[in-house]
Amino acid sequence: GENVEQHPSTLSVQEGDSAVIKCTYSDSASNYFPWYKQELGKRPQLIIDIRSNVGEKKDQRIAVTLNKTAKHFSLHITETQPEDSAVYFCAAEDKAAGNKLTFGGGTRVLVKP
Amino acid sequence: ETGVTQTPRHLVMGMTNKKSLKCEQHLGHNAMYWYKQSAKKPLELMFVYSLEERVENNSVPSRFSPECPNSSHLFLHLHTLQPEDSALYLCASSQDVSSGANVLTFGAGSRLTVL
Repeated sequence: GENVEQHPSTLSVQEGDSAVIKCTYSDSASNYFPWYKQELGKRPQLIIDIRSNVGEKKDQRIAVTLNKTAKHFSLHITETQPEDSAVYFCAAEDKAAGNKLTFGGGTRVLVKP
Repeated sequence: ETGVTQTPRHLVMGMTNKKSLKCEQHLGHNAMYWYKQSAKKPLELMFVYSLEERVENNSVPSRFSPECPNSSHLFLHLHTLQPEDSALYLCASSQDVSSGANVLTFGAGSRLTVL
């Protein structure tokens, strides 16, 4: 099955700086990679996703890049704001398990004002 | 609310109690999931139902018993739990299980404490 590793586990940045979270996956057949954001005490919510037919996707201040050869993908947040403080989870679909998602361990991001 | 509702939001139970968690989705989705979220651990998939049929059981102990009476409702029956079962239990739904782009909509979770 799929194995997803996520780094770092915690990330502290100054407001306005950029934040980068990296994930690696093991199943080369995976072709869907979503990112979920979970604010304190709230439910995880999808913020961006990427499919393997593209290498990069942007949505305002967030972007995701995918390197299928190296089997890693990253989340980039630019011009961070306090409301970006949350736990971010990457995931990859597990082809061997009927496309169900395997999640990384999460990254707690703290944006300091 | 996002369309996935979980009750209760908080539950404290003893090891000999029997309780149930409830999840309801109003999105017309065909698949529903139970995830366990513990501190410093990845989201762990417990059960998956597609059109009311269980399609995944990730070696979850039998003290957790799911029930899906219809595609809008999902229950997790709990009995003789252990303190290490204390966690946030998240319900989620998606349009399908095998679409290749499973966008999950999560509920707010049920925070379970086992004494």
